[in-house]
Amino acid sequence: EVQLLESGGGLVQPGGSLRLSCAASGFTFSNYAMSWVRQAPGKGLECVAPIGGRGGNTYYADSVKGRFTISRDNSKNTLYLQMNSLRAEDTAVYYCAKHQGFSGYDYVDYWGQGTLVTVSS
Amino acid sequence: EIVLTQSPATLSLSPGERATLSCRASQSVSSYLAWYQQKPGQAPRLLISDASNRATGIPARFSGSGSGTDFTLTISSLEPEDFAVYYCQQRSNWPLTFGQGTKLEIK
Repeated sequence: EVQLLESGGGLVQPGGSLRLSCAASGFTFSNYAMSWVRQAPGKGLECVAPIGGRGGNTYYADSVKGRFTISRDNSKNTLYLQMNSLRAEDTAVYYCAKHQGFSGYDYVDYWGQGTLVTVSS
Repeated sequence: EIVLTQSPATLSLSPGERATLSCRASQSVSSYLAWYQQKPGQAPRLLISDASNRATGIPARFSGSGSGTDFTLTISSLEPEDFAVYYCQQRSNWPLTFGQGTKLEIK
């Protein structure tokens, strides 16, 4: 059974940093692209950053480019999102998402339960 | 960036009725379009991939059609558990983008 367990969310002041983690199990982690997808309160979905199975092929939404960094440790089956210079508009539930394929140009077939990030003073 | 526009924003129907949801892309995405269902407090669930392929475990009452810029998700006979928000998503170009969602509510 595929499981994705996010951690690291919480309350942070504007300009601060957070690191999200996602522990994956139930599949061969290195064979699949992963993404962080966020959803602001009452809003739709935004793919923030995907990463290919080997850790290459990273992309960033314009809204987070230069501030967020996605990475993965295939030896630990863990996905990360380092978030710096956080803004109020980054407030959202952040989902860890597994893609159907290796590249990141695939649909998401499994989602974590989400972790809430709140940016507020 | 490819913009996906979903209509209507809200659809009010009764159980047993047929639901038709639309998604229009700002440029052609070929058949690279998916549909997801999201219930309150839950993560989205993949329903349809590449415009018309049902995901594993998805009931046959869900069907997708379309190509290019115009796509449709049809639910043939609504069950109580189908009332949720539905999103379309394209994988033709980066950034992968989602529509703004259609809320399917009980009439």
